[in-house]
Amino acid sequence: DTGVSQNPRHKITKRGQNVTFRCDPISEHNRLYWYRQTLGQGPEFLTYFQNEAQLEKSRLLSDRFSAERPKGSFSTLEIQRTEQGDSAMYLCASSSEVAALNEQFFGPGTRLTVL
Amino acid sequence: GQQLNQSPQSMFIQEGEDVSMNCTSSSIFNTWLWYKQDPGEGPVLLIALYKAGELTSNGRLTAQFGITRKDSFLNISASIPSDVGIYFCAGQLTNTGNQFYFGTGTSLTVIP
Repeated sequence: DTGVSQNPRHKITKRGQNVTFRCDPISEHNRLYWYRQTLGQGPEFLTYFQNEAQLEKSRLLSDRFSAERPKGSFSTLEIQRTEQGDSAMYLCASSSEVAALNEQFFGPGTRLTVL
Repeated sequence: GQQLNQSPQSMFIQEGEDVSMNCTSSSIFNTWLWYKQDPGEGPVLLIALYKAGELTSNGRLTAQFGITRKDSFLNISASIPSDVGIYFCAGQLTNTGNQFYFGTGTSLTVIP
């Protein structure tokens, strides 16, 4: 399967713990996005990478959140000192600058539950 | 952030009926995307629109980029049970980066 993949699919953690999620984009896509989705809402933008450079960050991305894409391929999203309000679906999407289209393709998401 | 108003919020229809939903904003967008999301899964891209007035079809789905560039419409013809899910519009502003703003979704239930 050559789509966007995310791991883990589900994560349950206790408040105060750190968690890390991984996203592997479509192989030829150089743009990668992280979104957060809470129940009954549409996805909300968190951050965007073009290759290894993090070019945009939302105000939703507090200082407890950090995202990296060290080699311009896969990306990780870390949440430190998790809070119950962090419980949500974390979605990754990728797109291609070369294709000159803005179509973003999403992965299956990581469902985070903070107890 | 930008507010995209999607309507209706939910729809209950009989199999075989046509469906219409729309998305409106107070801002001008240069790209509209329509997605379908099943429970526990990521959104799946259905249709992409890039020009005002553009009408694009994907099987039984047809979407239009509004002339004012502040709205978009999605129609589903001859609905079938597998059309059940939540449909999201997403828009990209004209002169910002690559961020997309999503609507709150339209939940579709198809009654066999």
